[in-house]
Amino acid sequence: DQQVKQNSPSLSVQEGRISILNCDYTNSMFDYFLWYKKYPAEGPTFLISISSIKDKNEDGRFTVFLNKSAKHLSLHIVPSQPGDSAVYFCAASASSNTGKLIFGQGTTLQVKP
Amino acid sequence: EAGVAQSPRYKIIEKRQSVAFWCNPISGHATLYWYQQILGQGPKLLIQFQNNGVVDDSQLPKDRFSAERLKGVDSTLKIQPAKLEDSAVYLCASSPGTPPYEQYFGPGTRLTVT
Repeated sequence: DQQVKQNSPSLSVQEGRISILNCDYTNSMFDYFLWYKKYPAEGPTFLISISSIKDKNEDGRFTVFLNKSAKHLSLHIVPSQPGDSAVYFCAASASSNTGKLIFGQGTTLQVKP
Repeated sequence: EAGVAQSPRYKIIEKRQSVAFWCNPISGHATLYWYQQILGQGPKLLIQFQNNGVVDDSQLPKDRFSAERLKGVDSTLKIQPAKLEDSAVYLCASSPGTPPYEQYFGPGTRLTVT
């Protein structure tokens, strides 16, 4: 049972444009959502998070939107830069479950110069 | 602040052999995690420690995998005997254990079982 899903394996955008990465979840007990970025041969790096009591969180070029009724979240990167090219993982946790993270399958973002 | 350290970075073994991975978490982080990441998938939790106690090992194949965290700091993950399907990247992460439960990952160990 895949509780966190990223249905787009890959995304390609032009430098300077917006990148939108999507994530869906099924477990209504999740109350924190996180995005991680992963370069080849490195571990995932934390990017941004959002609590279920919010619908938006912004950090520089990165904004995460949460739609609880649709059980959907998205990561917006504006403007996209070639250095943003990486695999992006969506993850979710439930406070009631010791903070264990459940990861999606990842979306590979390619930003073309 | 030093990050999460893991060794070795790469390991190639034959099936039925044993292998061990080592992790040193960020200083002061009480929670430590071991994940398995198979190519094309997201990391899957194998085991979670709080200090030196196991919080969750429901996804750990206990017939062949074992892990320990002595003294609540460093941790080792062992596979014995290894199978072909154990080929993956093994990631260690640590966390202060408070919301939003942000975890800090090490570089991982890429294991190839032939």
